[in-house]
Amino acid sequence: DGGITQSPKYLFRKEGQNVTLSCEQNLNHDAMYWYRQDPGQGLRLIYYSQIVNDFQKGDIAEGYSVSREKKESFPLTVTSAQKNPTAFYLCASSIQGSDYNEQFFGPGTRLTVL
Amino acid sequence: DQQVKQNSPSLSVQEGRISILNCDYTNSMFDYFLWYKKYPAEGPTFLISISSIKDKNEDGRFTVFLNKSAKHLSLHIVPSQPGDSAVYFCAAVGDKLIFGTGTRLQVFP
Repeated sequence: DGGITQSPKYLFRKEGQNVTLSCEQNLNHDAMYWYRQDPGQGLRLIYYSQIVNDFQKGDIAEGYSVSREKKESFPLTVTSAQKNPTAFYLCASSIQGSDYNEQFFGPGTRLTVL
Repeated sequence: DQQVKQNSPSLSVQEGRISILNCDYTNSMFDYFLWYKKYPAEGPTFLISISSIKDKNEDGRFTVFLNKSAKHLSLHIVPSQPGDSAVYFCAAVGDKLIFGTGTRLQVFP
């Protein structure tokens, strides 16, 4: 089955700790994305990567870091510098070079910082 | 600066009736639009799209209309079913995908 997996579904961390959210896809997509969703707000882009070993900041990259060492994997680290990390995090991927940028989403990880 | 806006945060419709979800955008350079459906605690799933060269696209119970002069698109669901209850996001394709804030649709029996 092709798809995007995010784990875990729920994550709890203490304030001041870094935490890494995993995202894996077996769709052979070149591009991958991280979004954050807060209540009453749309999806906001944190980081995206169009190719292995390359990534760009999105609209709200401060306090986050990513890596793209493999095509299938795009982990997101929420650092202690992120002021309000509690949110629902969504990973997505898309075929690079498609006529339109339809993105396929993973199930999401809800991060709660205590 | 919200380039894609969904001004109605929620909508309640009776089963069998039409649901109309609206979306406005500010950038006339957007050339493709998508609608996503999202259930709680799940990722969004693609629903339907429309190119700026068209003014209508239909897929089963779902129809999207685009009015370029008004920079407005709408999603029509006919007939609405309880399983359609979800949050619907419109998105515009620019240099990246830009999402609206979402409209929560509730379809009641």
